[in-house]
Amino acid sequence: GAGVSQSPRYKVAKRGQDVALRCDPISGHVSLFWYQQALGQGPEFLTYFQNEAQLDKSGLPSDRFFAERPEGSVSTLKIQRTQQEDSAVYLCASSLLGLAGGWGEQFFGPGTRLTVL
Amino acid sequence: AQSVTQLDSHVSVSEGTPVLLRCNYSSSYSPSLFWYVQHPNKGLQLLLKYTSAATLVKGINGFEAEFKKSETSFHLTKPSAHMSDAAEYFCVVSDYNTDKLIFGTGTRLQVFP
Repeated sequence: GAGVSQSPRYKVAKRGQDVALRCDPISGHVSLFWYQQALGQGPEFLTYFQNEAQLDKSGLPSDRFFAERPEGSVSTLKIQRTQQEDSAVYLCASSLLGLAGGWGEQFFGPGTRLTVL
Repeated sequence: AQSVTQLDSHVSVSEGTPVLLRCNYSSSYSPSLFWYVQHPNKGLQLLLKYTSAATLVKGINGFEAEFKKSETSFHLTKPSAHMSDAAEYFCVVSDYNTDKLIFGTGTRLQVFP
């Protein structure tokens, strides 16, 4: 596949459960971003990787959120002890270059819709 | 800090009439600005981007946007709406240092036959 893929597409969790969301970026893309999109809102930045290095995690809402990209390709976003306010669509995006200034177009995956009951 | 404000949460037009989706930005630097479209149950797709080249930017599907520094605006237009244009549109600014995207709250475009 040529695009960014995410799995699962839908996840239902009971409050307190741990979840893991996977992102497969476009092959060769250096930068990888995670965003959270609450219902009726625009996506909000969570964290950013350049290869395997997590350069910015300022958007993670609490220490229950953890992201990794150990080999510089696939990334996993983990949420521990899920709460109802974690219900949202989690979007992953990748871009080819690790340049600042908006030169690298971000390609988005379809997202994972997380519902916490 | 950079931010964008989308002035309309909903816009309704008839098919074949012009589309105008308004966006104002705030940035300490010369901004990189984007418009993304999100169709239901589909991923975000880039429509167009401005990165300090020509102020009139042409995108896909007949959309274009004009960067106006004096008005701090980046409005999205299309001469003639099509039914398939019905979607959520996001105005976005890129963080100068990290490339993270800062999204507006979105404008839902409805197109009536």
